[in-house]
Amino acid sequence: GAVVSQHPSWVICKSGTSVKIECRSLDFQATTMFWYRQFPKQSLMLMATSNEGSKATYEQGVEKDKFLINHASLTLSTLTVTSAHPEDSSFYICSANLAGEWNEQFFGPGTRLTVL
Amino acid sequence: GENVEQHPSTLSVQEGDSAVIKCTYSDSASNYFPWYKQELGKRPQLIIDIRSNVGEKKDQRIAVTLNKTAKHFSLHITETQPEDSAVYFCAAPESSASKIIFGSGTRLSIRP
Repeated sequence: GAVVSQHPSWVICKSGTSVKIECRSLDFQATTMFWYRQFPKQSLMLMATSNEGSKATYEQGVEKDKFLINHASLTLSTLTVTSAHPEDSSFYICSANLAGEWNEQFFGPGTRLTVL
Repeated sequence: GENVEQHPSTLSVQEGDSAVIKCTYSDSASNYFPWYKQELGKRPQLIIDIRSNVGEKKDQRIAVTLNKTAKHFSLHITETQPEDSAVYFCAAPESSASKIIFGSGTRLSIRP
């Protein structure tokens, strides 16, 4: 099956710093990847759709200047949380699906971000 | 856009009994309905999915039913076991965009 990796798996940073999270499709090419945020005991909330070679599409209420997304290749998308604050602490998960008709989304293992 | 509602939010069943989780969706053009299981601190994992050209799909103890007219779909787990304890999410695609929308989740607990 298709495999998606994420790095790092967890990160602790100080308030005001920036953190970069990588999402890679290991055995397939992903023209589209998705970034989700999940707070404790809540559902996955889509933050943005990452399109290879073009600008990401952000969901309403998600600050594009705070959550920078870059999808420079068919196997890599990055999410940078800029000027992180404690309220940004969350579980960030990326996903990708195979091109074509709607089918299974393959999720990365997630990155737990803690901002002190 | 697509709106997915899921209930119940929590469900506790005796081991061996059945569990049913229900979802409704708003986008009548949606044609793919996956169910995910998520254990604490881990990624969601697809457990079963159904497309709009069928009304029911079964995989061992897990089944999903779809009623396109009413725009709802349900997950059925029979002969529940302790390892079924997790959070379950339904989802549906937004036909106007290449994304899926998740339900709010159901925390399933299996009592020994």
